[in-house]
Amino acid sequence: EADIYQTPRYLVIGTGKKITLECSQTMGHDKMYWYQQDPGMELHLIHYSYGVNSTEKGDLSSESTVSRIRTEHFPLTLESARPSHTSQYLCASSGNPQETQYFGPGTRLLVL
Amino acid sequence: SQQGEEDPQALSIQEGENATMNCSYKTSINNLQWYRQNSGRGLVHLILIRSNEREKHSGRLRVTLDTSKKSSSLLITASRAADTASYFCATDAGQAGTALIFGKGTTLSVSS
Repeated sequence: EADIYQTPRYLVIGTGKKITLECSQTMGHDKMYWYQQDPGMELHLIHYSYGVNSTEKGDLSSESTVSRIRTEHFPLTLESARPSHTSQYLCASSGNPQETQYFGPGTRLLVL
Repeated sequence: SQQGEEDPQALSIQEGENATMNCSYKTSINNLQWYRQNSGRGLVHLILIRSNEREKHSGRLRVTLDTSKKSSSLLITASRAADTASYFCATDAGQAGTALIFGKGTTLSVSS
């Protein structure tokens, strides 16, 4: 079982609200990632970080932002949620960009 | 564009049968990984095979890699109902420092 945690697990929220999805890991990994995944579909990389104060956008354009102030913490923020943001958000970490990634349980977001 | 593509998209078998899933990719790689995802959960790493390896085993899992055909296969022997999940291949793009790229996945259903 990987030591990577996501909260909340489920979130139902109204349009226009600001939300922050939390992700933390206790493995001391430098690399952390956020993926967006619609049901039954592939994962799309939306943000990644290779260390503190380092963040990059992924392949899929996203209106979300991330921060990496501490090694263990990689929160994702949506300033104004919209129904198009409804999806599952998966956080992962690794000790090397090309090696095994450890995933959290995911956050299922529903924006009404 | 998608680096990895799994085939078939969905597979239904009986307990005790073998399940074979294939993954094709487009560019040269350093390694290829297979992950499993149970419904509504995060991904779990199964096995990593490096570009200079042709076959790797882990318990009931057997992975092959053919770099000349840019393809890999995952074989699950003597399948169980608990193997029901989606299976994803993930590759790097052969470049150090890049994140993994996941395929669309194969959904495996094992009935008892």
